[in-house]
Amino acid sequence: KAGVTQTPRYLIKTRGQQVTLSCSPISGHRSVSWYQQTPGQGLQFLFEYFSETQRNKGNFPGRFSGRQFSNSRSEMNVSTLELGDSALYLCASSFRGDSPLHFGNGTRLTVT
Amino acid sequence: LAKTTQPISMDSYEGQEVNITCSHNNIATNDYITWYQQFPSQGPRFIIQGYKTKVTNEVASLFIPADRKSSTLSLPRVSLSDTAVYYCLVGDISGGFKTIFGAGTRLFVKA
Repeated sequence: KAGVTQTPRYLIKTRGQQVTLSCSPISGHRSVSWYQQTPGQGLQFLFEYFSETQRNKGNFPGRFSGRQFSNSRSEMNVSTLELGDSALYLCASSFRGDSPLHFGNGTRLTVT
Repeated sequence: LAKTTQPISMDSYEGQEVNITCSHNNIATNDYITWYQQFPSQGPRFIIQGYKTKVTNEVASLFIPADRKSSTLSLPRVSLSDTAVYYCLVGDISGGFKTIFGAGTRLFVKA
């Protein structure tokens, strides 16, 4: 069974731009969560989607948004990028919201 | 959500057993305890999950005392490839919980 796939693997953007990251969950998994990982803040929860509905949201500004499609694939968008948004963005899927998470290898975003 | 506390780092030698303890004093009745392993530039990987007593799989054991206020991940006979960050998480089994990762424990295995 294929794992969680995140694209692109690396991304370089300029301050003020916006970016869209994509995540394809494991087949049959309906819950998709997004996390931001930085050396200073560690792994921080962004939001979780289940059956196209956002169920939980972390403490991030409204510039961070996401959505989930009917095939469970998910995208997250960051608008008006700031230097501090440079991070590894990880997507995880699970069969439900409470079963173990399966992570992709992330998208490394660099904002210059 | 229960907050977790783990040692920041641990050192070990190849072939030794490593025990990493996690404190979660405010664990709720519905909460499960889950451990993940993360290598640099990769996403965390699920290791083991438990609710109470002892759980064992092919890579680790998880010991949870009766009061469930702590848990211990046991890695038997570690190798250099076990050098990684280990995260302890506590989450609500009823679904839709926010997974809060603590700082994790950086395990360094030496030859």
